[in-house]
Amino acid sequence: SQQGEEDPQALSIQEGENATMNCSYKTSINNLQWYRQNSGRGLVHLILIRSNEREKHSGRLRVTLDTSKKSSSLLITASRAADTASYFCATDAIAGNTPLVFGKGTRLSVIA
Amino acid sequence: GAVVSQHPSRVICKSGTSVKIECRSLDFQATTMFWYRQFPKKSLMLMATSNEGSKATYEQGVEKDKFLINHASLTLSTLTVTSAHPEDSSFYICSAVSGLTDTQYFGPGTRLTVL
Repeated sequence: SQQGEEDPQALSIQEGENATMNCSYKTSINNLQWYRQNSGRGLVHLILIRSNEREKHSGRLRVTLDTSKKSSSLLITASRAADTASYFCATDAIAGNTPLVFGKGTRLSVIA
Repeated sequence: GAVVSQHPSRVICKSGTSVKIECRSLDFQATTMFWYRQFPKKSLMLMATSNEGSKATYEQGVEKDKFLINHASLTLSTLTVTSAHPEDSSFYICSAVSGLTDTQYFGPGTRLTVL
């Protein structure tokens, strides 16, 4: 599977600041999803954006998708210390019922 | 919402032993389940695709004789790590695809430590 890339690999910000993480992928997709993972724990699904959508909001999260550039961004506004985690984007192919291809992830540290 | 469980959540074993990890879809039927592996500070990598009633499909570089997958029912897939070695220590995560919605749901993961 062709893994996507996230940047930055690590991000450290102060509480209250916004955090932006980017994801690029290599093949055509059906959906792109963002997940959060606390150290040593399972995945928490954050948001799904379909290939025909350009932007989506959920609470303090804002996701954009640019299929022409094969990239997505996740913005977390007004960050909190509890947002400290690794964030992964994951894509699935147009074929459906296919495994997700995960990006390498961004480790976010929010300092109180 | 749909729930996927994994058992055990943590396992420590001696080198050379075999370990079985179960992945269950609790409230939906899953014709397809996926097994992923995650090394420390790394991302999830697909190991294999498990289809109910047929042989699993393994990704390149994953030894099918070492990582035995059985998908005997629409709600259960098992991954057996045979003759485990310390380099098999990892976080193993399964996901199950709902036959109704085609949505993929992840289990909480199993932490395997081989001494």
